[in-house]
Amino acid sequence: GESVGLHLPTLSVQEGDNSIINCAYSNSASDYFIWYKQESGKGPQFIIDIRSNMDKRQGQRVTVLLNKTVKHLSLQIAATQPGDSAVYFCAETNSNTGNQFYFGTGTSLTVIP
Amino acid sequence: GAVVSQHPSRVICKSGTSVKIECRSLDFQATTMFWYRQFPKQSLMLMATSNEGSKATYEQGVEKDKFLINHASLTLSTLTVTSAHPEDSSFYICSARTQRGRVTGELFFGEGSRLTVL
Repeated sequence: GESVGLHLPTLSVQEGDNSIINCAYSNSASDYFIWYKQESGKGPQFIIDIRSNMDKRQGQRVTVLLNKTVKHLSLQIAATQPGDSAVYFCAETNSNTGNQFYFGTGTSLTVIP
Repeated sequence: GAVVSQHPSRVICKSGTSVKIECRSLDFQATTMFWYRQFPKQSLMLMATSNEGSKATYEQGVEKDKFLINHASLTLSTLTVTSAHPEDSSFYICSARTQRGRVTGELFFGEGSRLTVL
C-alpha cells in the first residue's frame, strides 16, 4: 500500500494552546484525505476531511491544511483541551482506484492541564 | 452519523481454533467494507477490502486462507481468523463507507475487536 507517515510520534501541549500535527504522504495520486482521532481501545473517529482540490478546510476548532506540492497534511487544533488527548492519524486514498484508505504512523497527543 | 458495530469486542481463544468477527453497518448500506489490523502503539494496517457479493481483495502480504472474509449482505461482513496462533493476537477494526451521493464517501469505523490467542 501507499506510505503515509508522520514527522512526530508524540506531542505534548499545554491546555489552551494550539496543537499542530503533521503528516507526509507518498502517493501523489491521492485525492482525498481524512484525519482521525483514536482513543485507547476504541475505533478511529472522523475529525475532518479534505479533497485535493482544496488547500484548507476548517471545522469546529480544527483546521486541515493540504500542501500537494510537498505532499504534506497538517491538523491544527485550536485551544487544545484535555479531551483532545488521543492518537491522531491521517489517512489517504485515491478515489479512482478503489477508495482503500491507508493510514499514517500516528501521533500521540497529550494535553497537559 | 453512520454507525458501524463490531462483535465481539473482546475474544480470547486457544491456539488452533478459529474466531469469527462480525462487522455490521446499522443505519446504512455498505457495498464496501474494509478490515484493518492494529498492533499496540502502531497504525492501522489495511488487510482487505470486502465487497458485497464478491470475493475480498487482500493487501499484499495478507494470507487470504488465514483471514477469511465474507460479505454476504449490504450490512454485514465477517472476518474469520482460522487456526489462530498467538501472533494473530491483535486489534481488528472494520470500517464501512457510505456513498450518500458523494464521489468519495466518509469512512466510518467500528469500535474494534481485540483478539487474544493463548
